[in-house]
Amino acid sequence: QAQLVQSGPEVKRPGASVRVSCKASGYIFLNYGISWVRQAPGQGLEWMGWISAYDRKTNYAQKFQGRVTMTTDTSTSTAYLELRSLTSDDTAVYYCARGAVSPPLDPWGQGTLVTVPS
Amino acid sequence: QSALTQPASVSGSPGQSITISCTGTSSDVGGYNYVSWFQQHPDRAPKLMIYDVSNRPSGVSSRFSGSKSGNTASLTISGLQAEDEADYYCSSYTSSFTLLFGGGTKLTVL
Repeated sequence: QAQLVQSGPEVKRPGASVRVSCKASGYIFLNYGISWVRQAPGQGLEWMGWISAYDRKTNYAQKFQGRVTMTTDTSTSTAYLELRSLTSDDTAVYYCARGAVSPPLDPWGQGTLVTVPS
Repeated sequence: QSALTQPASVSGSPGQSITISCTGTSSDVGGYNYVSWFQQHPDRAPKLMIYDVSNRPSGVSSRFSGSKSGNTASLTISGLQAEDEADYYCSSYTSSFTLLFGGGTKLTVL
């Protein structure tokens, strides 16, 4: 069955960038997009954007425009999230998930904790 | 864009039914049949429970059902079980071509 496995936890200094990976298996990678969702400690879910694995088109949430880049590597069925100019407000668990709207977000990766000390 | 509105918490006893609401606008919940519901246990990734307002993925219990009226979607859990205790989030497609989540609802099984 479809599965997404993410890279390990990261600790970054303010102003730095972070790159999180999300390796897909169990389905045809090109047939689905990948969304990225984050969750700050004790807070709710926040959609960051989506990338098509087929043509690499992206749709970023306005809040992250100019600071985020989503990419894919079809040779390894892996999606990447890069977030730049980190602040302590970016401390969160970052999830990747297959799909977005139709098909919906399913399944999800296990999450990657990114910590930016203040 | 503000989050969809959900109650902060709901509770029920085992065997009872509960309903969680998710209120948006005509630009999101009311305008599209693309409402999903997710269950999240502590320190776990969210799990899809309902999609396209009322469809259940394979493997999800029939005790979970979804509906929508106007700008408000609802998740109903019947025959509450202890394992249902979790946080629940709704999401909706929006007219801005984005996905919007609700603030989340903590379900307590008494």
